[in-house]
Amino acid sequence: GENVEQHPSTLSVQEGDSAVIKCTYSDSASNYFPWYKQELGKGPQLIIDIRSNVGEKKDQRIAVTLNKTAKHFSLHITETQPEDSAVYFCAARDDKIIFGKGTRLHILP
Amino acid sequence: SQTIHQWPATLVQPVGSPLSLECTVEGTSNPNLYWYRQAAGRGLQLLFYSVGIGQISSEVPQNLSASRPQDRQFILSSKKLLLSDSGFYLCAWSVGGIGNTEAFFGQGTRLTVV
Repeated sequence: GENVEQHPSTLSVQEGDSAVIKCTYSDSASNYFPWYKQELGKGPQLIIDIRSNVGEKKDQRIAVTLNKTAKHFSLHITETQPEDSAVYFCAARDDKIIFGKGTRLHILP
Repeated sequence: SQTIHQWPATLVQPVGSPLSLECTVEGTSNPNLYWYRQAAGRGLQLLFYSVGIGQISSEVPQNLSASRPQDRQFILSSKKLLLSDSGFYLCAWSVGGIGNTEAFFGQGTRLTVV
């Protein structure tokens, strides 16, 4: 079955700097790659997603890249702000959705 | 619009007691339904998923079971809880069938087994 690896597990960046979170997946049949943000005590919320026929997608300060050959995908957050502090999950989907273990992002003032 | 309801939000249960967590989805038909567990500081582990009434796939051997008695109802159960069952349980749904669409999560149930 699908296996999703996510790195780093914890990331601290200065406010205004960029943050990058990387994921790899194992099942070449996976065709959808969402990213979720989870705030304390709440369910995860989708922030951006990318499909297998696209290499890059951007939404304001957030961008995601996908390399299907290498089975890598990454989340990029630019101009980080305090409200970006949260846990971020990558996921891969063929029929079911498998998540990475999450990255706790701290934005330092 | 579609909504997902999950309850209760918080639950404290003694070891050996039964468990029943319920999740319902409104505004869509024949969704895929999922139960995930999130241990403290850990990732989202897929426990069960269902593509239709009575169709349940179990992802990990454990003390839990799931049922889907109606199209938009998904229930997580246990006959006897263990301490290791403590965690944050999340129900989710996605558009039915194999497709490239997102999952929508409920607000979660924090279960503490004492």
